[in-house]
Parts: sequence; structure tokens; C-alpha cells
Amino acid sequence: QKEVEQDPGPLSVPEGAIVSLNCTYSNSAFQYFMWYRQYSRKGPELLMYTYSSGNKEDGRFTAQVDKSSKYISLFIRDSQPSDSATYLCAMRSGARALNFGKGTSLLVTP
Amino acid sequence: EAGVAQSPRYKIIEKRQSVAFWCNPISGHATLYWYQQILGQGPKLLIQFQNNGVVDDSQLPKDRFSAERLKGVDSTLKIQPAKLEDSAVYLCASRPVISTDTQYFGPGTRLTVL
Repeated sequence: QKEVEQDPGPLSVPEGAIVSLNCTYSNSAFQYFMWYRQYSRKGPELLMYTYSSGNKEDGRFTAQVDKSSKYISLFIRDSQPSDSATYLCAMRSGARALNFGKGTSLLVTP
Repeated sequence: EAGVAQSPRYKIIEKRQSVAFWCNPISGHATLYWYQQILGQGPKLLIQFQNNGVVDDSQLPKDRFSAERLKGVDSTLKIQPAKLEDSAVYLCASRPVISTDTQYFGPGTRLTVL
């Protein structure tokens, strides 16, 4: 079993929809949780970073972490065509390197 | 602030040839990472440097891959000899020495092995 599981999609939604992306993980030692956005032929770009359980909001983006269920989510409100990209969840424990999910491909259609 | 620079952006080689990639991290970033991203997968860590010392190279195929970070700044990743399964994007990332979790990624080098 991989440590981080993420449905690769693709996910297609109309402009303005609320998008829900999620990951599950198996390593209870993970403390830091991140969402990266990756456009085609570009490097990943950090979107959200959370520590431990709870919610964090930044503009149209909300990240949720539920450590008891080993489940993290990213919500995108009022989705735009420019949000079309691959979204990668990532997590780590202590000072170790990041463990990434496979990424979910999102397409927002006008 | 300039971002992480990588070169070349694209490389096509035949199997059993050698190839090298270069990374220049953000100025002042002590930690540098090399990741391999195969199509349809998330990035997988190959090696992590703290200044010019190796912190983690447990997933680096040491029989064919090598990396160095001289003077704790630029880094090179080499593959010798390349195999078909090495076709991937090689991403470099850097992080400040202060314990922020933000890793900044470069644009990557797309390697195709024929």
C-alpha cells in the first residue's frame, strides 16, 4: 500500500463549480500537509500548507486535515478555467522529505 | 526573488548514454532536493542535500545515478548509463534553512530515453 493515495481523475467541472479534491494516507506520523498545483510542463507550485488537523482558508481555496481519519481535502470555490491543472497532495513527518500523491487532473470548462 | 533554475529543459538520449542535469537553487536556500516525476505520478525524492552534505539518498539508484552539490549552492544530477525507464521529469527544489515547509520547485528537465 502506498503511503499517500490520490485519485488521478480526470475531474471535469463547469466554471463556477465547487471542486473537492482529497487524499488519504496511512502513516500516522505525518504532521505537515500541503497542496501543490502543477500546470503542464511546469514545476509544482505550493498552494496551501497546514499543520495538524483543522481548516485553513486562503481566498477561494480551503484545505482541511482530519488526522483521525487520515484524510485531507482541498476545496476550490467559484472555480475558473485558469484553475485547470494537476493538484498534488504532499505530506511529511518531521524534517523528512515530502511524500506526494499521484495528483488529480482538473479541467474547468467555460 | 529569482526562482529555482534548471537546465536543460528538455533532453533526448539513447539508452546506455550519459546525461547530466543542473540546478541553481534560490539564493540562501540551504536545502536542495532532486525529485523524479514519471508521467502520471507524483514526484519521488531521489536525493536531499543540506548545504553540501547528503541528508537522504535512500531512493537514489546508486548504480547509475549520482549527484553532487559543490560549495553548497549549485547541484548536478547525472545518469550513467541511462535506461528506458529513466524517462521522466527531473525536478529540483530548494528550501530555506529556517524550518518553513515551503519547497520551491524549478520547471524541471524532461528526459526522454529512446
